[in-house]
Amino acid sequence: GEDVEQSLFLSVREGDSSVINCTYTDSSSTYLYWYKQEPGAGLQLLTYIFSNMDMKQDQRLTVLLNKKDKHLSLRIADTQTGDSAIYFCAENGGYNKLIFGAGTRLAVHP
Amino acid sequence: DAGVIQSPRHEVTEMGQEVTLRCKPISGHDYLFWYRQTMMRGLELLIYFNNNVPIDDSGMPEDRFSAKMPNASFSTLKIQPSEPRDSAVYFCASSASPGQQFFGPGTRLTVL
Repeated sequence: GEDVEQSLFLSVREGDSSVINCTYTDSSSTYLYWYKQEPGAGLQLLTYIFSNMDMKQDQRLTVLLNKKDKHLSLRIADTQTGDSAIYFCAENGGYNKLIFGAGTRLAVHP
Repeated sequence: DAGVIQSPRHEVTEMGQEVTLRCKPISGHDYLFWYRQTMMRGLELLIYFNNNVPIDDSGMPEDRFSAKMPNASFSTLKIQPSEPRDSAVYFCASSASPGQQFFGPGTRLTVL
């Protein structure tokens, strides 16, 4: 069945790069997504990548996709305290439904 | 646009009471989703609608939960009777494009 897996926690120092990893199971997913949830708020779409792409860069964010291994990663360059949040990986579950991972809690410390 | 609007933002009720959560999606979005988030179970999709019609309610935990979408600008999620294990944050989200969902701020429900 469909499943998305992520590590639960990541701690980085301010100014360093953060890399959040995700594995998914549905090879037919057309898009893969990264959502961000700040404390006390709903999820917000951060970025997404088409399945026929290997990489997408958007300012400090870089998304890498390895379709062979069904592995998706999100790299945040120059991580700031404002980046502290929970990051969710998601794949299409069909009919506009998303399958979310459990979320990775990113903690940024001085 | 004001984004997805949910009310109330916080709800505290006693076990056995009826709870109604409300959602106004973004105008023009034809998909509406209800999610539940807890520490133990993470983010769960409860039900979603397309053009006001329920498409998949397989995530609704049991018959105590019901959801309606009487028109394109309003949806409700009702729990009757409520139980302490229903305590969670309930999110509504709407979408016009595949995968690009816009979430509301959530309703934090506490059932005593």
